[in-house]
Amino acid sequence: EVQLVESGGGLVQPGRSMKLSCAASGFTFSNYGMAWVRQAPTKGLEWVATISYDGSSTYYRDSVKGRFTISRDNAKSTLYLQMNSLRSEDTATYYCTREDFDYSSSHWFAYWGQGTLVTVSS
Amino acid sequence: DIVLTQSPALAVSLEQRATISCKTSQNVDNYGISYMHWYQQKPGQQPKLLIYEGSNLASGIPARFSGSGSGTDFTLTIDPVEADDIATYYCQQSKDYPNTFGAGTKLELK
Repeated sequence: EVQLVESGGGLVQPGRSMKLSCAASGFTFSNYGMAWVRQAPTKGLEWVATISYDGSSTYYRDSVKGRFTISRDNAKSTLYLQMNSLRSEDTATYYCTREDFDYSSSHWFAYWGQGTLVTVSS
Repeated sequence: DIVLTQSPALAVSLEQRATISCKTSQNVDNYGISYMHWYQQKPGQQPKLLIYEGSNLASGIPARFSGSGSGTDFTLTIDPVEADDIATYYCQQSKDYPNTFGAGTKLELK
């Protein structure tokens, strides 16, 4: 059974940093791209960042580029999101997702963790 | 960015058909495949994949759910609607970065 378990969320002051982790199990982690998707309270879903199966390629939404870093440790089957210079608008539940794909380069968010809430406030 | 437009809400009766639409600002087809996917989210839960690549049913999803469309116009159909289907439904494109979602359609009981 595929499991994705996020951790590391909580209350943080504006301008400070926080690192999220996602422990994966039930599949061969190193075979899949992974992504973070967030959801502000009472709002819709927003893609944040994606990392390729081997970590060689990363993609970010413009609003987090230069502040957030997505990374992975395939030996530990763990995904990370380092968030620096946090802003109030980064307040959201952050979901770890597994990207399934086919060879046309299409990909979709096949599995989701339960999410971890990040609150940026003074 | 590719913008996905969904109606905010849809009221439906149990055992009837629900049709949820998603229109994109650009063509999201490539190599004959639609890079359009659908998710269901119930309150307090994480989203769940329903349909990928426009019309492919995800594993474990009942056949009451189906997806159709191409180019810039897509539809998620639930037929018949059951009480457990009351949720918010999101479309999402993966043709380009940033991957984008629609604002969601809340399915309500009439």
